[in-house]
Amino acid sequence: KAGVTQTPRYLIKTRGQQVTLSCSPISGHRSVSWYQQTPGQGLQFLFEYFSETQRNKGNFPGRFSGRQFSNSRSEMNVSTLELGDSALYLCASSLAGERLEQYFGPGTRLTVT
Amino acid sequence: AQTVTQSQPEMSVQEAETVTLSCTYDTSESDYYLFWYKQPPSRQMILVIRQEAYKQQNATENRFSVNFQKAAKSFSLKISDSQLGDAAMYFCAPNQTGANNLFFGTGTRLTVIP
Repeated sequence: KAGVTQTPRYLIKTRGQQVTLSCSPISGHRSVSWYQQTPGQGLQFLFEYFSETQRNKGNFPGRFSGRQFSNSRSEMNVSTLELGDSALYLCASSLAGERLEQYFGPGTRLTVT
Repeated sequence: AQTVTQSQPEMSVQEAETVTLSCTYDTSESDYYLFWYKQPPSRQMILVIRQEAYKQQNATENRFSVNFQKAAKSFSLKISDSQLGDAAMYFCAPNQTGANNLFFGTGTRLTVIP
Protein backbone atom coordinates (compact mmCIF):
# COMPACT_ATOMS: atom_id res chain seq x y z
CA LYS A 1 0.00 0.00 0.00
CA ALA A 2 1.12 3.51 -0.69
CA GLY A 3 1.86 5.57 2.38
CA VAL A 4 0.45 8.89 3.45
CA THR A 5 1.27 11.60 0.94
CA GLN A 6 1.39 15.31 1.53
CA THR A 7 1.59 18.11 -0.97
CA PRO A 8 3.37 20.35 -1.40
CA ARG A 9 6.50 19.30 0.45
CA TYR A 10 7.87 22.81 0.74
CA LEU A 11 6.14 26.14 0.65
CA ILE A 12 7.19 29.74 1.10
CA LYS A 13 4.52 32.33 1.78
CA THR A 14 4.39 35.95 2.79
CA ARG A 15 2.87 37.20 6.01
CA GLY A 16 -0.84 37.90 5.54
CA GLN A 17 -1.34 35.37 2.77
CA GLN A 18 -3.27 32.15 3.11
CA VAL A 19 -2.16 28.61 2.37
CA THR A 20 -3.76 25.23 1.73
CA LEU A 21 -1.99 21.97 2.45
CA SER A 22 -3.17 18.60 1.22
CA CYS A 23 -2.99 15.12 2.68
CA SER A 24 -3.92 11.80 1.07
CA PRO A 25 -4.27 8.99 3.64
CA ILE A 26 -3.39 5.36 3.23
CA SER A 27 -6.06 3.56 1.23
CA GLY A 28 -8.84 2.41 3.57
CA HIS A 29 -7.93 4.82 6.35
CA ARG A 30 -10.79 7.11 7.31
CA SER A 31 -9.24 9.17 10.06
CA VAL A 32 -6.86 12.01 9.28
CA SER A 33 -5.11 14.06 11.94
CA TRP A 34 -2.96 17.14 11.52
CA TYR A 35 -0.03 18.22 13.69
CA GLN A 36 2.22 21.25 13.77
CA GLN A 37 5.88 20.83 14.67
CA THR A 38 8.03 23.81 15.64
CA PRO A 39 11.33 24.03 17.53
CA GLY A 40 9.73 26.07 20.29
CA GLN A 41 6.40 24.32 20.83
CA GLY A 42 7.26 20.83 19.67
CA LEU A 43 4.54 18.65 18.20
CA GLN A 44 1.03 19.91 18.70
CA PHE A 45 -2.28 18.46 17.60
CA LEU A 46 -4.33 20.66 15.28
CA PHE A 47 -7.44 18.65 14.45
CA GLU A 48 -8.76 15.29 13.38
CA TYR A 49 -11.27 14.44 10.70
CA PHE A 50 -13.24 11.26 10.43
CA SER A 51 -15.89 10.58 7.78
CA GLU A 52 -15.79 14.20 6.62
CA THR A 53 -16.47 15.51 10.14
CA GLN A 54 -14.11 17.24 12.50
CA ARG A 55 -14.01 14.95 15.48
CA ASN A 56 -11.56 16.78 17.67
CA LYS A 57 -9.69 20.06 17.67
CA GLY A 58 -6.55 21.28 19.38
CA ASN A 59 -5.88 24.67 20.86
CA PHE A 60 -5.22 26.73 17.75
CA PRO A 61 -6.82 29.96 16.57
CA GLY A 62 -9.63 29.99 14.06
CA ARG A 63 -7.18 30.92 11.29
CA PHE A 64 -6.43 27.21 11.17
CA SER A 65 -9.16 25.18 9.54
CA GLY A 66 -9.54 21.94 7.72
CA ARG A 67 -11.85 19.68 5.87
CA GLN A 68 -12.11 16.13 4.66
CA PHE A 69 -13.54 14.87 1.43
CA SER A 70 -15.58 11.76 0.74
CA ASN A 71 -12.45 9.90 -0.42
CA SER A 72 -10.86 10.68 2.99
CA ARG A 73 -8.36 13.13 1.53
CA SER A 74 -7.95 16.11 3.78
CA GLU A 75 -6.87 19.71 3.43
CA MET A 76 -5.88 22.23 6.02
CA ASN A 77 -5.98 25.95 5.49
CA VAL A 78 -4.22 28.72 7.32
CA SER A 79 -5.45 32.23 6.68
CA THR A 80 -3.69 35.51 7.39
CA LEU A 81 -0.33 33.86 7.86
CA GLU A 82 1.94 34.99 10.65
CA LEU A 83 5.68 34.48 11.02
CA GLY A 84 4.99 32.09 13.87
CA ASP A 85 3.11 29.76 11.54
CA SER A 86 6.41 28.68 10.03
CA ALA A 87 6.55 24.99 10.86
CA LEU A 88 6.52 21.44 9.66
CA TYR A 89 2.91 20.34 9.21
CA LEU A 90 2.41 16.63 9.59
CA CYS A 91 -0.60 14.64 8.55
CA ALA A 92 -1.35 11.19 9.92
CA SER A 93 -3.96 8.63 8.97
CA SER A 94 -5.43 5.65 10.75
CA LEU A 95 -8.16 3.10 10.32
CA ALA A 96 -11.65 3.81 11.56
CA GLY A 97 -11.93 3.89 15.31
CA GLU A 98 -9.92 5.42 18.06
CA ARG A 99 -6.46 5.04 19.52
CA LEU A 100 -5.17 3.05 16.63
CA GLU A 101 -1.76 3.43 15.13
CA GLN A 102 -1.34 6.61 13.19
CA TYR A 103 0.84 6.60 10.11
CA PHE A 104 2.50 9.85 9.21
CA GLY A 105 3.23 11.53 5.94
CA PRO A 106 6.55 13.21 5.16
CA GLY A 107 5.21 16.62 6.12
CA THR A 108 4.94 20.02 4.49
CA ARG A 109 7.58 22.55 5.46
CA LEU A 110 5.94 25.99 5.52
CA THR A 111 8.08 29.09 5.73
CA VAL A 112 6.40 32.45 6.27
CA THR A 113 8.48 35.53 5.44
CA ALA B 1 -5.07 17.82 30.19
CA GLN B 2 -2.40 15.27 29.59
CA THR B 3 1.25 15.91 30.25
CA VAL B 4 4.17 13.90 28.95
CA THR B 5 7.70 14.19 30.31
CA GLN B 6 10.77 12.92 28.57
CA SER B 7 13.50 13.89 30.99
CA GLN B 8 16.45 13.00 28.74
CA PRO B 9 16.82 15.57 25.96
CA GLU B 10 19.80 13.68 24.56
CA MET B 11 21.15 10.16 24.90
CA SER B 12 23.98 8.30 23.25
CA VAL B 13 24.74 4.62 22.90
CA GLN B 14 27.50 2.53 21.42
CA GLU B 15 26.56 0.46 18.41
CA ALA B 16 25.34 -3.02 19.47
CA GLU B 17 24.70 -1.86 23.04
CA THR B 18 21.39 -1.35 24.83
CA VAL B 19 19.81 1.96 25.73
CA THR B 20 16.65 2.90 27.61
CA LEU B 21 14.66 6.07 26.98
CA SER B 22 12.36 7.21 29.74
CA CYS B 23 8.88 8.68 29.60
CA THR B 24 6.36 9.57 32.27
CA TYR B 25 2.88 10.85 31.67
CA ASP B 26 -0.13 12.05 33.51
CA THR B 27 -3.66 11.13 32.58
CA SER B 28 -6.98 10.73 34.32
CA GLU B 29 -8.04 8.05 31.90
CA SER B 30 -8.11 4.41 32.90
CA ASP B 31 -8.08 3.06 29.38
CA TYR B 32 -5.62 4.50 26.90
CA TYR B 33 -2.88 3.64 24.50
CA LEU B 34 0.75 4.66 24.48
CA PHE B 35 3.08 4.95 21.52
CA TRP B 36 6.73 5.51 20.80
CA TYR B 37 7.55 7.22 17.50
CA LYS B 38 10.95 7.94 16.01
CA GLN B 39 11.78 10.85 13.75
CA PRO B 40 15.06 10.49 11.84
CA PRO B 41 16.72 13.44 10.10
CA SER B 42 14.34 12.97 7.16
CA ARG B 43 11.59 14.19 9.59
CA GLN B 44 9.35 11.22 8.71
CA MET B 45 7.58 10.06 11.87
CA ILE B 46 7.77 6.31 12.19
CA LEU B 47 5.80 4.20 14.63
CA VAL B 48 8.11 2.13 16.81
CA ILE B 49 5.84 0.38 19.27
CA ARG B 50 2.41 0.54 20.87
CA GLN B 51 1.14 -0.47 24.31
CA GLU B 52 -2.45 -0.86 25.44
CA ALA B 53 -2.85 0.32 29.02
CA TYR B 54 -5.19 -2.54 29.91
CA LYS B 55 -2.52 -5.10 29.04
CA GLN B 56 -0.07 -6.01 31.75
CA GLN B 57 2.33 -7.64 29.34
CA ASN B 58 4.96 -5.31 27.97
CA ALA B 59 4.95 -4.84 24.21
CA THR B 60 7.88 -6.04 22.13
CA GLU B 61 8.79 -5.41 18.51
CA ASN B 62 12.02 -7.09 17.48
CA ARG B 63 14.84 -5.10 19.16
CA PHE B 64 12.40 -2.64 20.73
CA SER B 65 10.56 -3.30 23.98
CA VAL B 66 8.81 -1.24 26.61
CA ASN B 67 8.68 -1.28 30.36
CA PHE B 68 5.16 -0.15 31.14
CA GLN B 69 4.32 0.58 34.76
CA LYS B 70 0.74 1.80 34.86
CA ALA B 71 0.60 2.75 38.52
CA ALA B 72 3.74 4.85 38.16
CA LYS B 73 2.58 6.17 34.77
CA SER B 74 5.92 5.27 33.30
CA PHE B 75 6.52 4.04 29.77
CA SER B 76 10.19 3.52 28.91
CA LEU B 77 11.59 2.24 25.63
CA LYS B 78 14.48 -0.19 25.50
CA ILE B 79 16.48 -0.56 22.32
CA SER B 80 18.68 -3.63 22.19
CA ASP B 81 21.61 -4.22 19.83
CA SER B 82 21.54 -0.57 18.78
CA GLN B 83 22.18 0.13 15.12
CA LEU B 84 23.30 3.27 13.32
CA GLY B 85 19.85 3.54 11.77
CA ASP B 86 18.34 3.93 15.23
CA ALA B 87 19.75 7.44 15.47
CA ALA B 88 16.74 9.75 15.63
CA MET B 89 14.47 11.81 17.85
CA TYR B 90 12.22 9.56 19.88
CA PHE B 91 8.82 10.75 21.04
CA CYS B 92 6.58 9.21 23.64
CA ALA B 93 2.90 9.81 22.95
CA PRO B 94 -0.22 8.74 24.78
CA ASN B 95 -3.41 8.87 22.81
CA GLN B 96 -6.22 10.94 24.22
CA THR B 97 -9.52 9.26 24.62
CA GLY B 98 -12.29 10.06 22.21
CA ALA B 99 -10.28 10.60 19.07
CA ASN B 100 -7.04 9.99 17.27
CA ASN B 101 -4.97 12.81 18.68
CA LEU B 102 -1.56 12.07 20.06
CA PHE B 103 -0.06 14.13 22.84
CA PHE B 104 3.68 14.21 22.28
CA GLY B 105 6.52 14.62 24.71
CA THR B 106 9.45 16.91 23.95
CA GLY B 107 11.52 14.07 22.58
CA THR B 108 14.88 12.44 23.23
CA ARG B 109 17.60 12.75 20.64
CA LEU B 110 19.44 9.43 20.37
CA THR B 111 22.94 9.29 18.93
CA VAL B 112 24.47 5.94 18.02
CA ILE B 113 28.25 5.85 18.19
CA PRO B 114 29.99 3.46 15.77
